[in-house]
Amino acid sequence: AQSVTQLGSHVSVSEGALVLLRCNYSSSVPPYLFWYVQYPNQGLQLLLKYTTGATLVKGINGFEAEFKKSETSFHLTKPSAHMSDAAEYFCAVILPTTGANNLFFGTGTRLTVIP
Amino acid sequence: GAGVSQSPSNKVTEKGKDVELRCDPISGHTALYWYRQSLGQGLEFLIYFQGNSAPDKSGLPSDRFSAERTGGSVSTLTIQRTQQEDSAVYLCASSPGTSGATDTQYFGPGTRLTVL
Repeated sequence: AQSVTQLGSHVSVSEGALVLLRCNYSSSVPPYLFWYVQYPNQGLQLLLKYTTGATLVKGINGFEAEFKKSETSFHLTKPSAHMSDAAEYFCAVILPTTGANNLFFGTGTRLTVIP
Repeated sequence: GAGVSQSPSNKVTEKGKDVELRCDPISGHTALYWYRQSLGQGLEFLIYFQGNSAPDKSGLPSDRFSAERTGGSVSTLTIQRTQQEDSAVYLCASSPGTSGATDTQYFGPGTRLTVL
């Protein structure tokens, strides 16, 4: 079975500080990995994804994530937080060996940016 | 360009009534997904359509839930005899269908369903 754990349901950072949102997966086979962002009263928007190749993935709005197989992690980072980054962030996986194409989501992390 | 649209944006119904939720995917996208977002269960997959293939219904929580996709485009999710635990935001997503699991899924704004 696949599962995704996001450590910290709420994270607060000061404007200009580093953003680090944690995601770990549980799977014997490396999954495809995704980070989505949800702004208030909006749908989900893809920030970035890892499927194959380079393990450091750059996404929109200055976010990046690194796939670390040895740590079964895909943590999301941004060097300097902006007020506009305040939102809920979801890590998600798809296990390529199952043939399924649906996303399996973590429980989300709500990011608050303090001015 | 036009994204995924869903209607209605909000739906309030009484327990026991049937509801229909609509999703218009991005034009040309052959894959369509329904997900549900609730406080108790988080974001969970419901059903997946790909072209003319039989849908993957493995996420539907009970036989009160059904979905269809007419003409390979618009999809309707129907919940019969609604229960209070059905209250949630129902999200629709579509993807090009060209790269399978690695395709980006584009989400609509959702329909917020409240069952009284």
